[in-house]
Amino acid sequence: GAVVSQHPSRVICKSGTSVKIECRSLDFQATTMFWYRQFPKQSLMLMATSNEGSKATYEQGVEKDKFLINHASLTLSTLTVTSAHPEDSSFYICSARGVSTEAFFGQGTRLTVV
Amino acid sequence: GDSVTQMEGPVTLSEEAFLTINCTYTATGYPSLFWYVQYPGEGLQLLLKATKADDKGSNKGFEATYRKETTSFHLEKGSVQVSDSAVYFCALSEIPGNKLTFGGGTRVLVKP
Repeated sequence: GAVVSQHPSRVICKSGTSVKIECRSLDFQATTMFWYRQFPKQSLMLMATSNEGSKATYEQGVEKDKFLINHASLTLSTLTVTSAHPEDSSFYICSARGVSTEAFFGQGTRLTVV
Repeated sequence: GDSVTQMEGPVTLSEEAFLTINCTYTATGYPSLFWYVQYPGEGLQLLLKATKADDKGSNKGFEATYRKETTSFHLEKGSVQVSDSAVYFCALSEIPGNKLTFGGGTRVLVKP
């Protein structure tokens, strides 16, 4: 299947700082990318959907000013957690799909805010 | 809205035992159904899928049949291995390739 690479796999940051997570499609053009969040021992919750070149569509309850999503190219989307707080600590996973492909998942990023 | 319900874990089994994880769904249309597996510390991997009623998805010895009449997509494997220890997620998508709605996940632990 297609490869989606997410970086970094783990990151620890201090409260109040911002963290950027990258999601790259390595062998296909990702017209749409999805960002999910997974709390410990819980399921994945969709945060937002982004189409290349357009503003992201956020799910209800997700703060768009806190979780900045950029999808400027067909192979890269970024999620920036701004002014991070300990409650933002979580596992973030992206998935990407092309025009006629299913969605493929990245490896995930475990964010710890201290 | 759409929802997916799957049995809570953890499920603890011995090697070579039979595994069943129940999954039921509610959806407005005719969704595609998926099972994803998440190994410790990793992201999700698609295990199998079915796109229409009575389809059977299969992979790595796992099977699941799309049952429209019971709105179910139960996952089965006849003989599990220690390497099958993971968290399994049932999911649906109303539009192929679109956002997924996940169940709560079922942790499976296979002991030697």
